[in-house]
Amino acid sequence: AQKVTQAQTEISVVEKEDVTLDCVYETRDTTYYLFWYKQPPSGELVFLIRRNSFDEQNEISGRYSWNFQKSTSSFNFTITASQVVDSAVYFCALDTGTASKLTFGTGTRLQVTL
Amino acid sequence: GAVVSQHPSRVICKSGTSVKIECRSLDFQATTMFWYRQFPKQSLMLMATSNEGSKATYEQGVEKDKFLINHASLTLSTLTVTSAHPEDSSFYICSARVGGHEQFFGPGTRLTVL
Repeated sequence: AQKVTQAQTEISVVEKEDVTLDCVYETRDTTYYLFWYKQPPSGELVFLIRRNSFDEQNEISGRYSWNFQKSTSSFNFTITASQVVDSAVYFCALDTGTASKLTFGTGTRLQVTL
Repeated sequence: GAVVSQHPSRVICKSGTSVKIECRSLDFQATTMFWYRQFPKQSLMLMATSNEGSKATYEQGVEKDKFLINHASLTLSTLTVTSAHPEDSSFYICSARVGGHEQFFGPGTRLTVL
């Protein structure tokens, strides 16, 4: 069975603060894929990143960065210098070779205020 | 590329009626399509997986006679909510996959049953 845990239900920060969203996953598969999605109030899911289990290199894309650590089964997401437009629900998800379907975490609602 | 559309984006219906939601991959042929349901402030829950020309595979607890899925072509899947009731009110999201492990999501359909 596969499982994704996002322990932070809601986070509130002031604009320009850095914020890290945690994601812990469980799977017995050695080949798997991790994803982060953003869901703004409109509801449409926005793809942010995909990482496969063999690539532990951290990734940076503008103000976004991701820290993948297999040793702790974590795939954390950091937003640097947050902006009001970052306010959304963020989902971490896992897809394994065996299941071949996405399992979503419960999501973290990020509120960025002025 | 990799655009998925859903129609309608929003539907309001009376209790007892049936509602059909279409999911189309606009610029690619999808080998597999997925249907998710999302209740307010909750995560996405996979309802079923469908492959073109074959019967859908439903997740545990999802009534296949109530949620009819037809995957008539490589670019179209439909979800029909039969005899809808207020508890079926939700946000329904489809996704499409070509191969590999990346899914492309539609914008979602908000169903309200009065």
